[in-house]
Amino acid sequence: EVQLVESGGGLVQPGGSLRLSCAASGFTFTSHWMHWVRQAAGKGLEWVSRIDEDGSTTNYADSVKGRFTISRDNAKNTVDLQMNSLRAEDTAVYYCARDLVAGSGSCQSWGQGTLVTVSS
Amino acid sequence: QSALTQPPSASGSPGQSVTISCTGTSSDVGGYNYVSWFQQHPGKAPKLMIYAVTKRPSGVPDRFSGSKSGNTASLTVSGLQAEDEADYYCSSYAGNRVVFGGGTKLTVL
Repeated sequence: EVQLVESGGGLVQPGGSLRLSCAASGFTFTSHWMHWVRQAAGKGLEWVSRIDEDGSTTNYADSVKGRFTISRDNAKNTVDLQMNSLRAEDTAVYYCARDLVAGSGSCQSWGQGTLVTVSS
Repeated sequence: QSALTQPPSASGSPGQSVTISCTGTSSDVGGYNYVSWFQQHPGKAPKLMIYAVTKRPSGVPDRFSGSKSGNTASLTVSGLQAEDEADYYCSSYAGNRVVFGGGTKLTVL
């Protein structure tokens, strides 16, 4: 069974940093692109970032470019999202997702999400 | 980065069909055959219903179908059932990014 488990969310002050992690199991991790997608309370889904199978290609939404960094550890089956210079508008549930078709955004498997709250 | 445009709401009675549109540009929906549709029930993670415009993942009922014409993709739900009531989001590959639609709340009357 495919499982994605996010961790690392919490309350952080504006300008602060947080590192989210997603532990994957139940599938061949090295065969899939991975994404982070976020959803503010009562709002729609917003794509944040993606990383290819070996970590050599990464892409970011304009709203987080230069502040967030996605990475993966294929030995540990984890994908991380380092978030710096956090703003109130980054407050959201962050989902880790596995892509079905290389980088296309056809996210077939999702974690339960981890809540990030940016507030003073 | 503009989101794809979806109607905020749609509705239909049980047994009827309803179609939800998703309009983008030639840089996303119109430029690639990588449109996906997701269903999200309150408090739950999204579920992939359609990928690559028309393909259904294993386990998704064939009542759900996808299509595309130019810069607009569509999701059709046939034979509406009560459990289909949910939020639906489209997404599209767009080169160096992925873009989502704003979401459509589907109500089963």
